[in-house]
Amino acid sequence: EEQVVQSGGGLVQPGESLRLSCVLSGFTSTNFWMSWVRQAPGKGLEWVATLNEDGSAKFYVDSVKGRFTISRDTARNSLYLQMNSLRVEDTAVYYCATVAEGYWGRGTLVTVSS
Amino acid sequence: QAGLTQPPSVSKGLRQTATLTCTGNTNNVGYQGAVWLQHHQGHPPKVLSLRNNKRPSGISERFSASRSGNTASLTITGLQPEDETDYYCSAWDRVGGWVFGGGTKLTVL
Repeated sequence: EEQVVQSGGGLVQPGESLRLSCVLSGFTSTNFWMSWVRQAPGKGLEWVATLNEDGSAKFYVDSVKGRFTISRDTARNSLYLQMNSLRVEDTAVYYCATVAEGYWGRGTLVTVSS
Repeated sequence: QAGLTQPPSVSKGLRQTATLTCTGNTNNVGYQGAVWLQHHQGHPPKVLSLRNNKRPSGISERFSASRSGNTASLTITGLQPEDETDYYCSAWDRVGGWVFGGGTKLTVL
C-alpha cells in the first residue's frame, strides 16, 4: 500500500528556518513528480513547490522563491522542503504529495510567530 | 499564474445530484485536465478523479469527472451527508507549477 509519511514542522519565529520531510513507502519517489502543497488557516490549498522525477527541474510559487528549497534523497526515498527566512504568512499545514497520482501525506503544521 | 475558478458554494438536497465546475485556461485545465480533491478539515485531501477523468481505486462511482475545453466538472450523484465538505480542483500549468481552485463548499440539505 502506498503511503506518504511526513515529519518536521512546529513553531518558529519569523526569520528562522525549518525542514520538512516525507518518506514514501510502497512506491518509488523517482517515478513521480513530487510536490509540497500548503493550507493556511481558513484558506484554500496552495501549491508551494514541485520536483520532477529525476530531480533536474524544480518549480516554486513566487512567494517562496529564494527562501524554500525542494530536494529528494533517492536512497531514503524521501522528499524535503528546506524553509528559510520564514514569515508569518508561511503559517500553514504543509502536505507532501504526488498531486497527479493522488498520494498525499497527512500534513504537518508550521507556525511562524513571534 | 492565476488560480482556477470554482464557485465558492453549492447547495443541493439529499440524494440529489451536484455538479461542481472548475474553469482555467489553455495552459492548465485545457492542457492536461484537472485533478479533483475532496478535503475534510483535519484530514489530508483525497483524490476523487485523476487528470484523465479516471477514478482511483476505491472511489465511489457516485463521483464522475469530465472536461470541456478549459472547464472541468465533477458530478456527484445520490448526495449523502458525508459528501458535505470542501472540493478542490487542480491542474498543472505549462508555465510550471500546480494551480488550484479556491475550493467549493458543498452543502447537502
